[in-house]
Amino acid sequence: NAGVMQNPRHLVRRRGQEARLRCSPMKGHSHVYWYRQLPEEGLKFMVYLQKENIIDESGMPKERFSAEFPKEGPSILRIQQVVRGDSAAYFCASSPLGATSGSYEQYFGPGTRLTVT
Amino acid sequence: TQLLEQSPQFLSIQEGENLTVYCNSSSVFSSLQWYRQEPGEGPVLLVTVVTGGEVKKLKRLTFQFGDARKDSSLHITAAQTGDTGLYLCASPYNNAGNMLTFGGGTRLMVKP
Repeated sequence: NAGVMQNPRHLVRRRGQEARLRCSPMKGHSHVYWYRQLPEEGLKFMVYLQKENIIDESGMPKERFSAEFPKEGPSILRIQQVVRGDSAAYFCASSPLGATSGSYEQYFGPGTRLTVT
Repeated sequence: TQLLEQSPQFLSIQEGENLTVYCNSSSVFSSLQWYRQEPGEGPVLLVTVVTGGEVKKLKRLTFQFGDARKDSSLHITAAQTGDTGLYLCASPYNNAGNMLTFGGGTRLMVKP
């Protein structure tokens, strides 16, 4: 996990509020992935971004969820009008190389645990 | 989407015992990764296997990739309490792109 930073580590939101999760990739990595892990389940892919581009968002719910990775600053996963079912651990991963490289190794951050009350 | 099935789901053993956990798919893997996740933390990459029949060792952990690249195993020799955690296998999403599909994991508890 060394190098990938996520904050906050824990986030509590009431139903209807917005949640903003931040991820700073490892130094030199320009590819960021977001995954969600529900309690007692494996990780599910949500979205893959490069700087200023969303490459694949096929795993992200169509409504209320959005992600960005600006030219400067961390990647942000934003959840609007949160509901109890959004409670989960959200993990960010980064890799130095993209899809065409054939390298699939990703390095994960410690996660943000979102609790919706 | 390629489905990865891991077995067993739960495993509780005494320190010093050996164990093997499995990851299987109906599709061929282009590559396969094993991660370990401890409570409250993110997954940590243990190994990547790419070639059918490949065997990789990491101290007391031995990873094997099936000849047909549709299955993999992780064997731990003389388990220690520090091996406790969730072991996850992962493979590229639909064998395309960098997005990973994860198995459901094997939750290992090593008791002193």
